[in-house]
Amino acid sequence: GNSVTQMEGPVTLSEEAFLTINCTYTATGYPSLFWYVQYPGEGLQLLLKATKADDKGSNKGFEATYRKETTSFHLEKGSVQVSDSAVYFCALSDLGGYNKLIFGAGTRLAVHP
Amino acid sequence: EAGVVQSPRYKIIEKKQPVAFWCNPISGHNTLYWYRQNLGQGPELLIRYENEEAVDDSQLPKDRFSAERLKGVDSTLKIQPAELGDSAVYLCASSLGQGNYNEQFFGPGTRLTVL
Repeated sequence: GNSVTQMEGPVTLSEEAFLTINCTYTATGYPSLFWYVQYPGEGLQLLLKATKADDKGSNKGFEATYRKETTSFHLEKGSVQVSDSAVYFCALSDLGGYNKLIFGAGTRLAVHP
Repeated sequence: EAGVVQSPRYKIIEKKQPVAFWCNPISGHNTLYWYRQNLGQGPELLIRYENEEAVDDSQLPKDRFSAERLKGVDSTLKIQPAELGDSAVYLCASSLGQGNYNEQFFGPGTRLTVL
């Protein structure tokens, strides 16, 4: 079945460091891919998405490129801030399930001043 | 615009007791989802509604879980009786429709602890 695998956390960085959170997926066909973020005490929020191969999603300085050849959707940011501390979830949309999201386990990011 | 509202935010009960969670989706959103998020894991879909119809409940443990969405707006998820393994965060989400490009908006969740 379809699945998403994320790098394990926590990821601990200093402010202004470069961030990469790896995400790979297994799916039949060409699903849409998403990154959601969950700040402490809040619900999940869509951070960015890509709906076809080679698409790049971007938002708030974060980027991820849909790589069909490597079945990956790695999240990157050039310079993280303390306010980016959160849990990040990679997800795919199960085409057969009509917008059914399948999530990875999440990666906790802690950014220190 | 108000987001997805869930209540209660926290619930602690003893095993074998019943419990219910309530969700009010974003106004105008026809599609409503209930997810369960176990500690250290991503959310997993329990049930999806299109208006008042449950169109995907394949992951809902029907022996003890039930859900309803009367009038196609608010929804209630119930567990009876609760077991220790039901401790998790229960998330409600809504979207405009069921298409793959319709963003799902999540509520803050209800954290259930079963003792």
